[in-house]
Amino acid sequence: GQQVMQIPQYQHVQEGEDFTTYCNSSTTLSNIQWYKQRPGGHPVFLIQLVKSGEVKKQKRLTFQFGEAKKNSSLHITATQTTDVGTYFCAGPPGGGADGLTFGKGTHLIIQP
Amino acid sequence: ETGVTQTPRHLVMGMTNKKSLKCEQHLGHNAMYWYKQSAKKPLELMFVYNFKEQTENNSVPSRFSPECPNSSHLFLHLHTLQPEDSALYLCASSRQRGSSYNEQFFGPGTRLTVL
Repeated sequence: GQQVMQIPQYQHVQEGEDFTTYCNSSTTLSNIQWYKQRPGGHPVFLIQLVKSGEVKKQKRLTFQFGEAKKNSSLHITATQTTDVGTYFCAGPPGGGADGLTFGKGTHLIIQP
Repeated sequence: ETGVTQTPRHLVMGMTNKKSLKCEQHLGHNAMYWYKQSAKKPLELMFVYNFKEQTENNSVPSRFSPECPNSSHLFLHLHTLQPEDSALYLCASSRQRGSSYNEQFFGPGTRLTVL
């Protein structure tokens, strides 16, 4: 079945440094979604990318969808302590199935 | 608040107990989901209900039994669980339009411990 892989699993950065997480799918995706989960919290939707090569920005966050629609990235510029959490990418499982297949997530740890 | 509520927030049960998890969404969505989140594992999709019809069951053991009486409520009935079933159980909902996938709104989860 479809697999969604994310790297790195953990990322330690100093506050103010940039951060990037990468997502790769074993199959072509119709769309990809990104979620953030704060420690002790639940996943919260950030964005959805649909078009090949699409780039979207939300303040310091930049999201990209690859040309082949099999990979994606999330880049945070000048991290702040409020960015702490786990960032997940997710895509439809394919084959007409419902729901989302999530990656394992990247845990972002920020040192002041 | 995401508009999706779950009760209880914490549950400790023995392997012979029977309990139920409840989820309610106040967003007017037509699809609801159960996910399992364990340490060091990705979020695992368990069940999907679309317009109250179960559309996905991802090889979940029969000791987990979902119920969706209407598009706003979702239950997960638990019986004779195993310690490895201890996890955070997350409910989510979304508005599905045909094959178009929209964002999912998650509830706060139920932290389940099986002794």
